[in-house]
Amino acid sequence: EIVMTQSPATLSVSPGERATLSCRASQSVGSNLAWYQQNPGLAPRLLIYGASTRATGIPARFSASGSGTEFTLTISSLQSEDFAVYYCQQYNNRPLTFGGGTKVEIK
Amino acid sequence: EVQLVESGGGLVQPGRSLRLSCAASGFIFDDYGMHWVRQVPGKGLEWVSGIGWNGGNIGYADSVKGRFTISRDNAKNSLYLQMNSLRPEDTALYHCVKDLSHGYFDLWGRGTLVTVSS
Repeated sequence: EIVMTQSPATLSVSPGERATLSCRASQSVGSNLAWYQQNPGLAPRLLIYGASTRATGIPARFSASGSGTEFTLTISSLQSEDFAVYYCQQYNNRPLTFGGGTKVEIK
Repeated sequence: EVQLVESGGGLVQPGRSLRLSCAASGFIFDDYGMHWVRQVPGKGLEWVSGIGWNGGNIGYADSVKGRFTISRDNAKNSLYLQMNSLRPEDTALYHCVKDLSHGYFDLWGRGTLVTVSS
């Protein structure tokens, strides 16, 4: 099983600032990585797939990069609705696995 | 409206069974693979099981293998999860999710809560 590790667990950021989230895989997943956002009480929402491709309707302030074992999600200027929990997920191998999540909170 | 609606959750004793259902609408159901993903409230996400568009390519997490069975009925636009020999650690919100391509998920249901407790 591929273990996905996200850091930090919590990120405190002021509105309008930049947030950078990391995700590491225990072995290479190529570009088969997705990012999701989950707001309280809601189901997760797909943000990114293929490590760097924004899903339909996702604002350009969300960008992502990486391949192999190291991945990054950047939110360029945090809006109020962006304070949420973010998960990475690999789909290179089954079982599909998620990271433990990074909570982005208001500083 | 494009949506997934789960049902069938509830309180069940350890060792008993439960069958979850997911009703899909607003998209061509039999064009897509489907999965179940669970989440303990306040905790992270765990993939449980997946099934291909035609009922093939079935897979399970090790934690549920041999106890859970995924199936689908394309004529009814429905996905199912038969859960047997339930354990307290199966307690979670179970989401039905649509596989956009090769294992990432572009549509999530709100989930149905399963509580396993005596």
